Amino acid sequence: ETGVTQTPRHLVMGMTNKKSLKCEQHLGHNAMYWYKQSAKKPLELMFVYSLEERVENNSVPSRFSPECPNSSHLFLHLHTLQPEDSALYLCASSGTSGSETGELFFGEGSRLTVL
Amino acid sequence: AQSVTQLGSHVSVSEGALVLLRCNYSSSVPPYLFWYVQYPNQGLQLLLKYTSAATLVKGINGFEAEFKKSETSFHLTKPSAHMSDAAEYFCAARSPGGYNKLIFGAGTRLAVHP
Repeated sequence: ETGVTQTPRHLVMGMTNKKSLKCEQHLGHNAMYWYKQSAKKPLELMFVYSLEERVENNSVPSRFSPECPNSSHLFLHLHTLQPEDSALYLCASSGTSGSETGELFFGEGSRLTVL
Repeated sequence: AQSVTQLGSHVSVSEGALVLLRCNYSSSVPPYLFWYVQYPNQGLQLLLKYTSAATLVKGINGFEAEFKKSETSFHLTKPSAHMSDAAEYFCAARSPGGYNKLIFGAGTRLAVHP
C-alpha cells in the first residue's frame, strides 16, 4: 500500500442513513485533512488533525463528525445528511510545520451521493 | 486573509500550443505556492511547488511556473500541450508557519483539442 487510500470510492445514502468514510495514509505523516469538493465551488477545508488533535473545524455542520484514532487513519462519520452534501470528499495528509514545505498528499476521493 | 485567484475557469488550447494558466495570490508575506492537477474521478496530484528557493520552478509532465513577487503571481505554463494534459488545475497557497493549511483557487479546466 502506498500514499493515501480512501474507501469507499463511491457511496449512495439516504438522508436518514449513517455511514462513514475512511482514509488511511502510509507516508509517515502526522497531519490529516478532510476537504469537500462540490461542483462549481472551490475546495473547502473541513477539518484538520495534527498529531491526532483536531486543530481546525471550518464551521462544518454537526452531521459531519470526524475521528482520528491515530496518525495513519482518519474517518468522517455521516448522519442525517442533506442532498446538498453530495460531493467528492478528499482526504489528504502532510508532515507538520517546521522543516516541511507544506504540500498535501491527496487520496482519490470518496464520491458521495445523498438521495 | 490570504486568497488565491485563478483567472479563467475554462481554458482551451490546440494540441502543441502553449498552455498558460494564471494564478494570483493575496498575501502580505510571500507564501509557499503550489499547482495541483486533477484528472476525472481522481484526487489532486502535485505538479510543482515554490518554496522561496528558485523563482522558476519545474514540475512534472513538462510544466513550469514562475513566482513573481512584484505581480503576486505564480502562472503555470507548458510550451506544447498534449491531449493528456486535459484536466482541472488548482493553484494553492500556504503561509509559512503553522500546520499545512492550503488555500485553493477555484480551479481552471484545461481542454486540449486536436
